[in-house]
Amino acid sequence: DAGVIQSPRHEVTEMGQEVTLRCKPISGHNSLFWYRQTMMRGLELLIYFNNNVPIDDSGMPEDRFSAKMPNASFSTLKIQPSEPRDSAVYFCASSLRDGLENEQYFGPGTRLTVT
Amino acid sequence: DAKTTQPPSMDCAEGRAANLPCNHSTISGNEYVYWYRQIHSQGPQYIIHGLKNNETNEMASLIITEDRKSSTLILPHATLRDTAVYYCIVRAGDDYKLSFGAGTTVTVRA
Repeated sequence: DAGVIQSPRHEVTEMGQEVTLRCKPISGHNSLFWYRQTMMRGLELLIYFNNNVPIDDSGMPEDRFSAKMPNASFSTLKIQPSEPRDSAVYFCASSLRDGLENEQYFGPGTRLTVT
Repeated sequence: DAKTTQPPSMDCAEGRAANLPCNHSTISGNEYVYWYRQIHSQGPQYIIHGLKNNETNEMASLIITEDRKSSTLILPHATLRDTAVYYCIVRAGDDYKLSFGAGTTVTVRA
């Protein structure tokens, strides 16, 4: 299996632009997670999907952030408009089961720089 | 509030066992101990988890004390590629959240 796939790996954009990050979870996994990592705040959970449905979006920082999962093999995280403080590494993770002992497998991340 | 306490950093020699401690004195009966690591510029990687029995897999061993208030991750023969930040996480079995703390930065030296 190829593991969790994220694209792009690096994104540099100007303040005010729209940014879309993409994730393909491991085939057969029914849970998907978006995390953000910064030096100041560490790794934070942004949103959790189960069976393509958003279950917990309490970590989404504000309305500029949105996430979708149109099918079991694809998810997007969109920032519109982007701001310099959004600069971070964004990770997508997936897991096989919802609930008991479900270890999460992380993608390589997207390093976002907003100038 | 932090559920686990780990030393901020530790060094170990290549080829030797690395023993990473973690305190989780407030752990509940239904909470598991998970270990992840993050090698520089990569996503976190699952290592191992356990409830109360000791566990071993191809990557590491997990020793949990009888009172479950602390645990030790053992990398039996550390290599330079094991240099990473190691996270000890306590999580209920039916909880989807992984709360990453600061972890322990492990440096394996030749």
